[in-house]
Amino acid sequence: DTGVSQNPRHKITKRGQNVTFRCDPISEHNRLYWYRQTLGQGPEFLTYFQNEAQLEKSRLLSDRFSAERPKGSFSTLEIQRTEQGDSAMYLCASSLGTTGYEQYFGPGTRLTVT
Amino acid sequence: DQQVKQNSPSLSVQEGRISILNCDYTNSMFDYFLWYKKYPAEGPTFLISISSIKDKNEDGRFTVFLNKSAKHLSLHIVPSQPGDSAVYFCAASAPSTLGRLYFGRGTQLTVWP
Repeated sequence: DTGVSQNPRHKITKRGQNVTFRCDPISEHNRLYWYRQTLGQGPEFLTYFQNEAQLEKSRLLSDRFSAERPKGSFSTLEIQRTEQGDSAMYLCASSLGTTGYEQYFGPGTRLTVT
Repeated sequence: DQQVKQNSPSLSVQEGRISILNCDYTNSMFDYFLWYKKYPAEGPTFLISISSIKDKNEDGRFTVFLNKSAKHLSLHIVPSQPGDSAVYFCAASAPSTLGRLYFGRGTQLTVWP
């Protein structure tokens, strides 16, 4: 399977704990995006990498959120001191920047903060 | 502010008929539009796209129409099949946004036999 993969698929954590999610994009894709989706909403942009460079961050990404993409391969999204409002589906997508805007999404990580 | 709007949260269509899903946008800088389909517990799956230099793009049973003057696009599915039942998201992008997609809230399509 050469699609986008995300781990874990589900995460339940207590408020105040730190969590980290991983995304493995399609191997030849140089662009990687993180989105967040809550119930009844479409995905909302969080941040974007081109290779290893983080080029844009949404205002939704508070100081408790950090993302990395070392060596331009997989990416991690960390949330520190989780809050109940962080409960959402976290989606990763990748694209090949030279061929258009189509982004291919992973299955997502469902975060529940209790 | 919601720059991409899908005003119909749900649509129910009989198998074999046409499904028409609508989408409006407010940002005139958007130049590329996409439709995604999403099943429960899965990520969105890319379906079809259209550039602003076109007004129609067709792929099998799926056709997307773009009306730039009205800032409106629609997705036509003909004929509709029960397996098409899913949430459909409209998304848009602009040259200045580095490929970032702006999504609507989605329309739940139900195709019944």
